[in-house]
Amino acid sequence: GQQVMQIPQYQHVQEGEDFTTYCNSSTTLSNIQWYKQRPGGHPVFLIQLVKSGEVKKQKRLTFQFGEAKKNSSLHITATQTTDVGTYFCAGYNAGNNRKLIWGLGTSLAVNP
Amino acid sequence: SAVISQKPSRDICQRGTSLTIQCQVDSQVTMMFWYRQQPGQSLTLIATANQGSEATYESGFVIDKFPISRPNLTFSTLTVSNMSPEDSSIYLCSVVWANPYEQYFGPGTRLTVT
Repeated sequence: GQQVMQIPQYQHVQEGEDFTTYCNSSTTLSNIQWYKQRPGGHPVFLIQLVKSGEVKKQKRLTFQFGEAKKNSSLHITATQTTDVGTYFCAGYNAGNNRKLIWGLGTSLAVNP
Repeated sequence: SAVISQKPSRDICQRGTSLTIQCQVDSQVTMMFWYRQQPGQSLTLIATANQGSEATYESGFVIDKFPISRPNLTFSTLTVSNMSPEDSSIYLCSVVWANPYEQYFGPGTRLTVT
């Protein structure tokens, strides 16, 4: 079945360092979404990417969708302690928008 | 965005009993989903709750174990039946409100089965 792989699984950074998580699908996606889950919290929608090669920015966060629509990345510039949490990518398989396929997540720890 | 509440927020249950989790949304939504999330793990879709008809279950989940109701566009329940310790998990409802691809999650129900 379709899989969405996410790396790394864990990342520890010093506050102020940059952070990147990568998401790779075995099949072409119609769109990809990113969610953030704080410790003890629930997933919160961050952004959706639809177009091939699309790049979107939210303050210190930069999201990219690959040209082949099979991979995506989230980059955080100058991390802060408020960035702590698990970042999930999730995508819909092209031609089947019924079920969202979730990545395993990347847990980010930020040392002050 | 929609405001989603879940009841109970947590519970400790005995093996063999059943627990019904409620999900209430403050506005009408097009789609509602039920997920399970083990601590430190990703989300697993249990089923799509369909208004006025039977839920659509994902592979590995059956109606007898996880009966779901959705009587209207703002409310759904998930029952975890005949519970075993393996059912200990966080159960989350999510909704699609306006944008068809953005999912909004409830705060979750933390279930422990002893």
